[in-house]
Amino acid sequence: GAVVSQHPSRVICKSGTSVKIECRSLDFQATTMFWYRQFPKQSLMLMATSNEGSKATYEQGVEKDKFLINHASLTLSTLTVTSAHPEDSSFYICSALRTSGRVDEQFFGPGTRLTVL
Amino acid sequence: GDSVTQMEGPVTLSEEAFLTINCTYTATGYPSLFWYVQYPGEGLQLLLKATKADDKGSNKGFEATYRKETTSFHLEKGSVQVSDSAVYFCALKAAGNKLTFGGGTRVLVKP
Repeated sequence: GAVVSQHPSRVICKSGTSVKIECRSLDFQATTMFWYRQFPKQSLMLMATSNEGSKATYEQGVEKDKFLINHASLTLSTLTVTSAHPEDSSFYICSALRTSGRVDEQFFGPGTRLTVL
Repeated sequence: GDSVTQMEGPVTLSEEAFLTINCTYTATGYPSLFWYVQYPGEGLQLLLKATKADDKGSNKGFEATYRKETTSFHLEKGSVQVSDSAVYFCALKAAGNKLTFGGGTRVLVKP
């Protein structure tokens, strides 16, 4: 299968600082990437859809100014958690959409665990 | 809106036991259905999928059949191994490429 990486795998930061998480599709180009948030023992919640060269589409209830998404190239999307607070601590997962003829499939990164002190 | 409900875990089994994880869904239209698996420390991987009613997805000994009449997509494996220990997510995809996930079921297989 295709490979999607995330960096960093875990990050600890102080309250009020900003944290950037990178999501890369390593062996295919992805015009669309997705960002999810996963709370302990809970499911993945879609935060936003990242589109290369255009603005991200955010799900209802997700603060656009707090979770900044940039999809500047066909292999890289970044999520910046601005002015992070302890309640932003979570596991953030990205996926990249590979389109192949009539079949589209999302490939997931390994996730980034964010802890805000 | 769309939703997926799956049985809560953890499910603890002995090696070679039979595994069933129930999954039911609510969606408008005709969604595609998926099972993803998340091994410890790794990202989600697609395990199997079905795109229309009565389709059976299968992979690595796991099977699931798309049952439109019961809106279900239960995952089964006849003989589990320790290496099957993971978290399993049922998901659906309706219009577009957005996935809606169930809550996940942790499976622990003991030798």
